[in-house]
Amino acid sequence: GQQLNQSPQSMFIQEGEDVSMNCTSSSIFNTWLWYKQDPGEGPVLLIALYKAGELTSNGRLTAQFGITRKDSFLNISASIPSDVGIYFCAGSNNNDMRFGAGTRLTVKP
Amino acid sequence: DAGVIQSPRHEVTEMGQEVTLRCKPISGHNSLFWYRQTMMRGLELLIYFNNNVPIDDSGMPEDRFSAKMPNASFSTLKIQPSEPRDSAVYFCASSLAGGQPQHFGDGTRLSIL
Repeated sequence: GQQLNQSPQSMFIQEGEDVSMNCTSSSIFNTWLWYKQDPGEGPVLLIALYKAGELTSNGRLTAQFGITRKDSFLNISASIPSDVGIYFCAGSNNNDMRFGAGTRLTVKP
Repeated sequence: DAGVIQSPRHEVTEMGQEVTLRCKPISGHNSLFWYRQTMMRGLELLIYFNNNVPIDDSGMPEDRFSAKMPNASFSTLKIQPSEPRDSAVYFCASSLAGGQPQHFGDGTRLSIL
């Protein structure tokens, strides 16, 4: 099946720093999504992107749908301790959604 | 608003037993998905339904796994007989329609001894 390559696998940052993570694919997707998963809970949708080149913000989070439709990035500005968790990218073509392996974010106060 | 509701939250059982996981999608959502999450393989789609009809079950690992959606507000994922390698967190998700963002439940953590 389609593979999504998400990087980095993990990040250890200081509170207040900015964070950037990205996802690439060998195939085109119509929709890119970013989810966050906290321990013991299901993934929660952060941002959904529907058009190539689209740049969307949700508070301190900003995500972009790559022009080639094969990549996306997520930026978190001014990180805070509650940003800790695993972030997943997902590419979707209708109901066929594939996930990246996740980026585990640790924020040191 | 109630999100996707899964039960049980945790299940521990001995191998060979039948396991039934339950899901109530968000009201009004027409698509329902079952996923399995493990450290080794991440999040894998097992099966999805549109308007209660199974559309793609190619992710179901073996005949021991089966899923049903008897109505728009309820779905089950059954494993019979269960094996230790089935141990994982199983998530149910729903979306308004095909191509719309999926919303996940909090999962069932399954341990097969």
